[in-house]
Amino acid sequence: DTAVSQTPKYLVTQMGNDKSIKCEQNLGHDTMYWYKQDSKKFLKIMFSYNNKELIINETVPNRFSPKSPDKAHLNLHINSLELGDSAVYFCASSAGLGVYEQYFGPGTRLTVT
Amino acid sequence: SQQGEEDPQALSIQEGENATMNCSYKTSINNLQWYRQNSGRGLVHLILIRSNEREKHSGRLRVTLDTSKKSSSLLITASRAADTASYFCATPSFQGAQKLVFGQGTRLTINP
Repeated sequence: DTAVSQTPKYLVTQMGNDKSIKCEQNLGHDTMYWYKQDSKKFLKIMFSYNNKELIINETVPNRFSPKSPDKAHLNLHINSLELGDSAVYFCASSAGLGVYEQYFGPGTRLTVT
Repeated sequence: SQQGEEDPQALSIQEGENATMNCSYKTSINNLQWYRQNSGRGLVHLILIRSNEREKHSGRLRVTLDTSKKSSSLLITASRAADTASYFCATPSFQGAQKLVFGQGTRLTINP
């Protein structure tokens, strides 16, 4: 009965590889997000989708491509991984845009070697 | 751009004491949220306070908002070891914005 789930929890890969992180929410929310948390705990939004439509697209390298096959899923694909991509990536969802609390997944710790 | 900044960056107190964390922000907002993050976990929503509210309570948590000073505080009373976590404030990047901007958090340690 996990509200927001992510897979995998840990991801260790070499530079240059392509990897994907999957996210699913069973809360019936319309809005989903991807955040990146760096080693200093600074949390920054990357993307936001509302009803499968891309709403927020921060200044993120185009090696990062989100995909929302339906309202309950938001996946993140990363091409040509770099050392600086190492971080914890969080998926979140909310009932809508604006003044709503967000529900976070457990995070995916990505380590690029 | 970073909107909210928490103060202090780290706080260590004895179990049973009260813990106060502060958040300052730059632009006008219509709401402010506080989240908790336990080590190795995702963030958990604690309280949302709207700009027309001055104070809000939830169990042992009390949040205040002073829009004239662009600041908020989170008070945890009668702290417990389980309160050990990082606490983040989050605000819209500007009033009416659709995205939240998080600060770097206050790392709270409760010593038994």
